[in-house]
Amino acid sequence: AQSVTQLGSHVSVSEGALVLLRCNYSSSVPPYLFWYVQYPNQGLQLLLKYTSAATLVKGINGFEAEFKKSETSFHLTKPSAHMSDAAEYFCAVSYTGGGNKLTFGTGTQLKVEL
Amino acid sequence: DTGVSQDPRHKITKRGQNVTFRCDPISEHNRLYWYRQTLGQGPEFLTYFQNEAQLEKSRLLSDRFSAERPKGSFSTLEIQRTEQGDSAMYLCASSNGGDTQYFGPGTRLTVL
Repeated sequence: AQSVTQLGSHVSVSEGALVLLRCNYSSSVPPYLFWYVQYPNQGLQLLLKYTSAATLVKGINGFEAEFKKSETSFHLTKPSAHMSDAAEYFCAVSYTGGGNKLTFGTGTQLKVEL
Repeated sequence: DTGVSQDPRHKITKRGQNVTFRCDPISEHNRLYWYRQTLGQGPEFLTYFQNEAQLEKSRLLSDRFSAERPKGSFSTLEIQRTEQGDSAMYLCASSNGGDTQYFGPGTRLTVL
């Protein structure tokens, strides 16, 4: 069975500050890992993904994440927060043998303050 | 590529009524997934299709739920005898069989 834990349901940062959203996973097989962003009343947009290639993954809007197998982590970072980054962020895990269905964490609401 | 579309975007119904949602995947995507998202939670997998075959159903998909993808293109999700606990956002996603799913805007269901 696979699972994802997102530490911190709400994170608040100042505009221009570092964004760090935490994600830990559990998987009995090599995982694929994803970060999605969701704006109010909208679907999910893929930010970035890890699929067993480079462990440091760069995504859209300046976000990146590093896969650390020893720590079973896939934390999302952005060097400088922008007001437009305020949204809900979901970490998800899947694997090929499971039809690639996604198992999501409970999400982290990011607030960006002036 | 026009993206995944879902219809309707919002549905308000009374308890006990039947509702049907439609999802149109990205053209030529052979896999289609349905997820349910309740307030304050992440999406939860319901079911997925490869072409017209329904390959897996979650335990969340009770007997009141049925999904179809008759010609391997669009899909419908029907909920019979709706209950207040069915109130949620229903998300559809599609893929070409690879690791990345593309999500639609969702259908928000409110059961009164």
